[in-house]
Amino acid sequence: AQSVSQHNHHVILSEAASLELGCNYSYGGTVNLFWYVQYPGQHLQLLLKYFSGDPLVKGIKGFEAEFIKSKFSFNLRKPSVQWSDTAEYFCAVMSASSASKIIFGSGTRLSIRP
Amino acid sequence: GAVVSQHPSWVICKSGTSVKIECRSLDFQATTMFWYRQFPKQSLMLMATSNEGSKATYEQGVEKDKFLINHASLTLSTLTVTSAHPEDSSFYICSVEAGEAYEQYFGPGTRLTVT
Repeated sequence: AQSVSQHNHHVILSEAASLELGCNYSYGGTVNLFWYVQYPGQHLQLLLKYFSGDPLVKGIKGFEAEFIKSKFSFNLRKPSVQWSDTAEYFCAVMSASSASKIIFGSGTRLSIRP
Repeated sequence: GAVVSQHPSWVICKSGTSVKIECRSLDFQATTMFWYRQFPKQSLMLMATSNEGSKATYEQGVEKDKFLINHASLTLSTLTVTSAHPEDSSFYICSVEAGEAYEQYFGPGTRLTVT
């Protein structure tokens, strides 16, 4: 069965610090990968996604993620965080063979100190 | 992207009663909608896939007779929690599959508290 692991439950950073949130998945086949963000009091929004092609994917608000197939990883990065990046971040995976069904990781809460 | 609304945003009900939650796609005709459940400080768990005009597909471990899903039109799916119990208290979120392949747009969620 597919699963997604986010090892960082809560990350606290100061503004302008660099960010990397880990995401590992377990599935042997072809996958589609996503990062979603949930700002306080708001609904889930798509940050970025990977289907195929360049493993370095750029998303909105300066975020990017790199798909490393050999490591089953899809880590999220941002070179310089802002206070407005405070939110819950979810990594998610969908197998290409079971289209549409998304499995979410447990989420990482990011708190940015102004 | 698609705009998704849910109603109500929060509801409190007594144990044993039934509660209906609506999910509407405001600007997109959705043949497929999804229902998720989110426990406090936990991730979203897919409950079922709602298909317009046909029966919903439930995930393993989700009781279809307890969580009734009706997707009667291309813009509306409903989730009815029947004979609710306190353990059904949770945050229920729906999503719509729209736009580029496999992209999902999420509603704001409905917080259900069963007393």
